[in-house]
Amino acid sequence: DAGITQSPRYKITETGRQVTLMCHQTWSHSYMFWYRQDLGHGLRLIYYSAAADITDKGEVPDGYVVSRSKTENFPLTLESATRSQTSVYFCATLQETGMANEKLFFGSGTQLSVL
Amino acid sequence: AQKVTQAQTEISVVEKEDVTLDCVYETRDTTYYLFWYKQPPSGELVFLIRRNSFDEQNEISGRYSWNFQKSTSSFNFTITASQVVDSAVYFCALSEPGGLGGKLIFGQGTELSVKP
Repeated sequence: DAGITQSPRYKITETGRQVTLMCHQTWSHSYMFWYRQDLGHGLRLIYYSAAADITDKGEVPDGYVVSRSKTENFPLTLESATRSQTSVYFCATLQETGMANEKLFFGSGTQLSVL
Repeated sequence: AQKVTQAQTEISVVEKEDVTLDCVYETRDTTYYLFWYKQPPSGELVFLIRRNSFDEQNEISGRYSWNFQKSTSSFNFTITASQVVDSAVYFCALSEPGGLGGKLIFGQGTELSVKP
């Protein structure tokens, strides 16, 4: 009953390498999101997806690529990692129980360091 | 532009003290949603509350209470009789235009330290 699983938990990579962060949910929620957390900025939305094969940009999408071939998975790829992408990345899903009661549930996060 | 400001970067209190975390927001929407999330030292983000803009009633949940005031665009969070387990970073967030509950604009967070 994990809900949202992110992997890996920690990742160290080098500048210029491609990195993929995985996100898997067991709830079948339609909406999924990727946020990054940086000191002084709180959390910022990178990309989100309304359903399989439907994705859209958030506030800070540059340097990232997403895909959603299956409802339960929403991987985030850094095609050529840069030091500025060192951050903690959170995947989230939206529990929709009516417009007035939507709740965002977060995974445990992936701490990424780009050297 | 949408914006959330948590002016208090860090707060330190002694156990059993009451503490209020401030949140001020900016939006042009007439319908919007406000949230508080807690991030304990373990790192996960825990949903605390969602408040709809058309509902200005204050809310109390155990030791937690929230004061929503549209007139001052504030959504403050008070912990009564704080405990060490309340030590965490607390984020206030605002829904983006359109009201989708998952597209949130977060404040910078307030780190609360409760000392025994």
